[in-house]
Amino acid sequence: SAVISQKPSRDICQRGTSLTIQCQVDSQVTMMFWYRQQPGQSLTLIATANQGSEATYESGFVIDKFPISRPNLTFSTLTVSNMSPEDSSIYLCSVDRSGPWGYTFGSGTRLTVV
Amino acid sequence: AQSVAQPEDQVNVAEGNPLTVKCTYSVSGNPYLFWYVQYPNRGLQFLLKYITGDNLVKGSYGFEAEFNKSQTSFHLKKPSALVSDSALYFCAVRVNDMRFGAGTRLTVKP
Repeated sequence: SAVISQKPSRDICQRGTSLTIQCQVDSQVTMMFWYRQQPGQSLTLIATANQGSEATYESGFVIDKFPISRPNLTFSTLTVSNMSPEDSSIYLCSVDRSGPWGYTFGSGTRLTVV
Repeated sequence: AQSVAQPEDQVNVAEGNPLTVKCTYSVSGNPYLFWYVQYPNRGLQFLLKYITGDNLVKGSYGFEAEFNKSQTSFHLKKPSALVSDSALYFCAVRVNDMRFGAGTRLTVKP
């Protein structure tokens, strides 16, 4: 299965600022996924990032708030913009390389907005 | 639309006893079903999956799950629980992308 390096692992940010999360995969993948896990809750898909095209956002998530870059087949970034305390969550990237139909996840970025 | 439900927020078992973490699903067509585990301050780890074939699927760390089409269930089981199994467990279903259940916190007490 793929190995994913995600950073930062955690950060504490001031409200109104932005944070960019990076996700590096050890092999080329077509699709990368960004999830949010709010405290005590399940994972919610934010968007799907394909190389060479605009990311596809799920209902409730918009590009202005969560811009995504996908410059090549091994790398993606998610930016959390104009942060508020409600954005405090764990953000996870994942790829579709765990064997047939499974996903591999990064270790996550624990974001606290104060 | 695809969805998955985990009816229990919390499951408590004594070490050495069997454990079951429940999952039911709703999809159009044939489901691809998964279980993931999340340990504190860690990312999700893949446990097992059902794609097709034998209804009883064996996975990592001695876990297994049984696919039951008539009951649309995919319960996670282990014959003898360990304290180290204490974690957050997520059931997931995939059609075009992966959708997760709300999670069940398993606590195994010594």
